[in-house]
Amino acid sequence: DTEVTQTPKHLVMGMTNKKSLKCEQHMGHRAMYWYKQKAKKPPELMFVYSYEKLSINESVPSRFSPECPNSSLLNLHLHALQPEDSALYLCASSQVNLNTYEQYFGPGTRLTVT
Amino acid sequence: SQQGEEDPQALSIQEGENATMNCSYKTSINNLQWYRQNSGRGLVHLILIRSNEREKHSGRLRVTLDTSKKSSSLLITASRAADTASYFCATDWQGAQKLVFGQGTRLTINP
Repeated sequence: DTEVTQTPKHLVMGMTNKKSLKCEQHMGHRAMYWYKQKAKKPPELMFVYSYEKLSINESVPSRFSPECPNSSLLNLHLHALQPEDSALYLCASSQVNLNTYEQYFGPGTRLTVT
Repeated sequence: SQQGEEDPQALSIQEGENATMNCSYKTSINNLQWYRQNSGRGLVHLILIRSNEREKHSGRLRVTLDTSKKSSSLLITASRAADTASYFCATDWQGAQKLVFGQGTRLTINP
């Protein structure tokens, strides 16, 4: 199974809502990632988890809160978002190997903040 | 950008022609990867080339790497309509567990 799944596929939320994005993989990968992608732009890294521990936070605002409950699951909790946070949110996973690794991406969650 | 640029930003060719995309980066790397993204979807890994390799092939894909010029190219031969997508190069970043993506090339194959 080389699939990364993400739910929901689409999400519309108001600026006062709290919602969560979910990501799951069963490839035994111990590194998991959250990216944000705006239209016609490359993915921008937000967070990296390595062995279920947060290893990289790319200075993401605290209204985004990641969580890695176990080696297969990754969540992104959203609270008090701004309209400019509307984007495609991508989850990815990979083996933990600093020199040679390919990342497997999920299909993304299209988030709209109203 | 933080690491690299790609050119052209957009490329439109006829089906059956070859497509070449270029990627430049700024720092030393261990490897460089190419990914494809169909509109609004997740990215798919195409090929990885290590810093000690100069050329690599995978099916209709040919990737070259010139570490002295800090550049790479992706050649897609005998293009098909299904190759229509955005293509991104990505490099490792200073020993961290992260990839940094180039700005991407939007490729359109016209039937």
